[in-house]
Amino acid sequence: EAQVTQNPRYLITVTGKKLTVTCSQNMNHEYMSWYRQDPGLGLRQIYYSMNVEVTDKGDVPEGYKVSRKEKRNFPLILESPSPNQTSLYFCASSLSWRGGYNEQFFGPGTRLTVL
Amino acid sequence: AQTVTQSQPEMSVQEAETVTLSCTYDTSESDYYLFWYKQPPSRQMILVIRQEAYKQQNATENRFSVNFQKAAKSFSLKISDSQLGDAAMYFCAYRILISNFGNEKLTFGTGTRLTIIP
Repeated sequence: EAQVTQNPRYLITVTGKKLTVTCSQNMNHEYMSWYRQDPGLGLRQIYYSMNVEVTDKGDVPEGYKVSRKEKRNFPLILESPSPNQTSLYFCASSLSWRGGYNEQFFGPGTRLTVL
Repeated sequence: AQTVTQSQPEMSVQEAETVTLSCTYDTSESDYYLFWYKQPPSRQMILVIRQEAYKQQNATENRFSVNFQKAAKSFSLKISDSQLGDAAMYFCAYRILISNFGNEKLTFGTGTRLTIIP
């Protein structure tokens, strides 16, 4: 089944404890992206990647890191989480960024709470 | 910068009736896509309908249709014959047609929570 998976789905952690949220897609998509969803703000892009080893900042990148060493994986890293990073996180992917329409497929979301 | 505004935080509709969700956006681009996404309690983001700005004809998908007014920068979603399963948060979203930087970023509105009254 074609899908985007995220792990963990739920995470409660404490301030300063490094964590990684994994994202994996099995559709051979070039483009991947991370969003965070907060009440009253909708979804906002954190980082994106056009292909392996090509990543760039979105609108709210502060406090996050990403890597794209393999085409299928795009982990989101919080080196020192803070309470303001408590949010619902979505990973998304699409076939290509090279023009035309490509539907973005979303993962199931990761609910992160930082105490 | 592009912005998307949904002015109705909450809406409710009687089952089997019709409801319209509003969305306005601001952009200086002439070519772009507009979307409506549904987010049920499961939190999954589900694409409901898509509209290309260069197409004059309004998109339809079964009970879902849009009213796209390009000059007014308005993109409303009409749900006909509302069903209990339509209860969800609905997000309007914008995407530029071709990005110079290869970023297929979706710019989202703040959402409208739709309740279906049995």
